[in-house]
Amino acid sequence: AQKVTQAQTEISVVEKEDVTLDCVYETRDTTYYLFWYKQPPSGELVFLIRRNSFDEQNEISGRYSWNFQKSTSSFNFTITASQVVDSAVYFCALSEARDDKIIFGKGTRLHILP
Amino acid sequence: ETGVTQTPRHLVMGMTNKKSLKCEQHLGHNAMYWYKQSAKKPLELMFVYNFKEQTENNSVPSRFSPECPNSSHLFLHLHTLQPEDSALYLCASSQDRQRGVTDTQYFGPGTRLTVL
Repeated sequence: AQKVTQAQTEISVVEKEDVTLDCVYETRDTTYYLFWYKQPPSGELVFLIRRNSFDEQNEISGRYSWNFQKSTSSFNFTITASQVVDSAVYFCALSEARDDKIIFGKGTRLHILP
Repeated sequence: ETGVTQTPRHLVMGMTNKKSLKCEQHLGHNAMYWYKQSAKKPLELMFVYNFKEQTENNSVPSRFSPECPNSSHLFLHLHTLQPEDSALYLCASSQDRQRGVTDTQYFGPGTRLTVL
C-alpha cells in the first residue's frame, strides 16, 4: 500500500533562515509520481512540483529546491532565505502509476516569523 | 476567470437544508475531483469524473451527490448533512485520467462548509 509520511507537524523559523520539510514515502510500484503542494491560509492548494520515479535529478526553482532520493524513499523540500509569505501548510503526495490516485501526507504547517 | 473556481467560498447550513457546491475549471481539462479536508485528517478523495463519467466513489455517504454536466463544471449536492460533515471541500481538475500516468491536479480555493 502506498503511504506518505510528513513527520514534522509544525515548524517555525525566523525570516531569511533556510528550512527543509521532510517527506518519506512507501510504495511497491516502480513507477510512481511525487508532488508537493502549498496551502496558504486562503485554502487553495497550490501545485509546486511533480516528479516521476525515473527522474532523480534534484530541482531548483528560485528559492525552492527538492531533493529526491530513492535509496531512502524521501522527497524533501527546502526553502532558502525564507519569507513571511512562505507561511503555509505544505503537503507531500504520492501516486502509483497503476492506481493514479494521489495520496496526500498530513502536511507540515510552516510559520515564518518576521 | 482562470484556473479552478469554486462557489460559494463559505456556506453555513442546517442539517435539514439542501445546498449545492459548484466548481468550474477554465483549464481545458477532462477530469474533475471532489476532496474533503477535515481538521487533523489527510485530504480525502470523494469522487472522480473523467470525461463526464463518474469513475470513482470512495464510499461516500449518499447525502453527498455529485453531478458533472460537462467537463468544465462539477457540482456537489448536499442534503441532510451531519455536523461531522463540516470541512473544507476542494475541487480539482487534471488533463484526464489514464492508467500509468498521473497528471497534475490543480485545485480550487475550496468551500468552507459548516453544518449546524
